[in-house]
Amino acid sequence: DAGVIQSPRHEVTEMGQEVTLRCKPISGHNSLFWYRQTMMRGLELLIYFNNNVPIDDSGMPEDRFSAKMPNASFSTLKIQPSEPRDSAVYFCASSPPASNQPQHFGDGTRLSIL
Amino acid sequence: AQSVTQLGSHVSVSEGALVLLRCNYSSSVPPYLFWYVQYPNQGLQLLLKYTTGATLVKGINGFEAEFKKSETSFHLTKPSAHMSDAAEYFCAVSDGTGNQFYFGTGTSLTVIP
Repeated sequence: DAGVIQSPRHEVTEMGQEVTLRCKPISGHNSLFWYRQTMMRGLELLIYFNNNVPIDDSGMPEDRFSAKMPNASFSTLKIQPSEPRDSAVYFCASSPPASNQPQHFGDGTRLSIL
Repeated sequence: AQSVTQLGSHVSVSEGALVLLRCNYSSSVPPYLFWYVQYPNQGLQLLLKYTTGATLVKGINGFEAEFKKSETSFHLTKPSAHMSDAAEYFCAVSDGTGNQFYFGTGTSLTVIP
């Protein structure tokens, strides 16, 4: 079975550039989550969607961050403009409709902003 | 609101020794509880989960955890540590009313040969 697929796996870009991270959830999962992981702050929930609708975006750090889920099989997290402090590993996770089910994580995107 | 506390951000054990990683939660409703493992440069992988039923839950790689409602705990154990167990471990709780998960801050496990 295909798991959660994230792309790219690694991204290196200069500050000020736009960065787009992509995620394909597991088929049949109706919830999708974006996390950021750093040494200093650990694992942080940025935003989550339920049935393609953003439910809680209180973790999105600034207006420079935006996320979309145009359909059940695709989501993007965009940073514009990017800053060095955005450097982190960004994870996407999805989960099935039942609330007692675990989240399934992708392998993450390692983002470095120079 | 839910919260998860993992006592000890770093734990070291000798190879073959008992592994005990602690997790306490706060919840106003019966929780669903999970342990995840993260190996270097990888995503989080589910180790085991408790939803209902038997309070002692067995997971992959020889790990198990026991749900103790009276202590609001869900500690992770393994009788004999292996070098391959070295990783970051996260406890998580879901209140079951939605799809919100609350993760602990993680415990880094080092296994000493």
